[in-house]
Amino acid sequence: KAGVTQTPRYLIKTRGQQVTLSCSPISGHRSVSWYQQTPGQGLQFLFEYFSETQRNKGNFPGRFSGRQFSNSRSEMNVSTLELGDSALYLCASSSFRGTEAFFGQGTRLTVV
Amino acid sequence: TQLLEQSPQFLSIQEGENLTVYCNSSSVFSSLQWYRQEPGEGPVLLVTVVTGGEVKKLKRLTFQFGDARKDSSLHITAAQPGDTGLYLCAHGIHGSSNTGKLIFGQGTTLQVKP
Repeated sequence: KAGVTQTPRYLIKTRGQQVTLSCSPISGHRSVSWYQQTPGQGLQFLFEYFSETQRNKGNFPGRFSGRQFSNSRSEMNVSTLELGDSALYLCASSSFRGTEAFFGQGTRLTVV
Repeated sequence: TQLLEQSPQFLSIQEGENLTVYCNSSSVFSSLQWYRQEPGEGPVLLVTVVTGGEVKKLKRLTFQFGDARKDSSLHITAAQPGDTGLYLCAHGIHGSSNTGKLIFGQGTTLQVKP
């Protein structure tokens, strides 16, 4: 079956702009989690959505938000971009009873 | 927050050598996972260890969960260039409403030279 799909793969934005990233989970998976990966901080949990509801939230400012649609696809939005938001953003999906997270290839965001 | 500390952070070895990567914490975990991430890709799950003292083998990779379930190790025998990548340990809460949240260690970057 198809894996986790993230779009776009690469993105360059200017400081102050906003950006929306998309994630399509594996068919049948209802949980979608988002992570930010930077060289300095490593992989950090942003939030998780399950059945269109935010179930967990990491320690990130309110500029980072997300949502999940009825087909389980998820979007992540970052407003008022800062240079420090440059990172690889990864999403992962898992089944309701699953213990494995399946990651997409990520979206590389560069803020200039 | 239950922190995971990985060591070493970087490892550069020659093909054929053995190596061990460690993942430590002061907290007790119900399970630990190991992932490998290659450049330009997302992490891929290698193994989940659940029972204290458990040892799991995946070809040349051996994973061990500490008896007290506070630490884990990954040992690679006769490393090959294809083993190059970022190795991450992670803790997730399973069997509850928090299944989607993983806490990762900082990772160990492994380079195996031919």
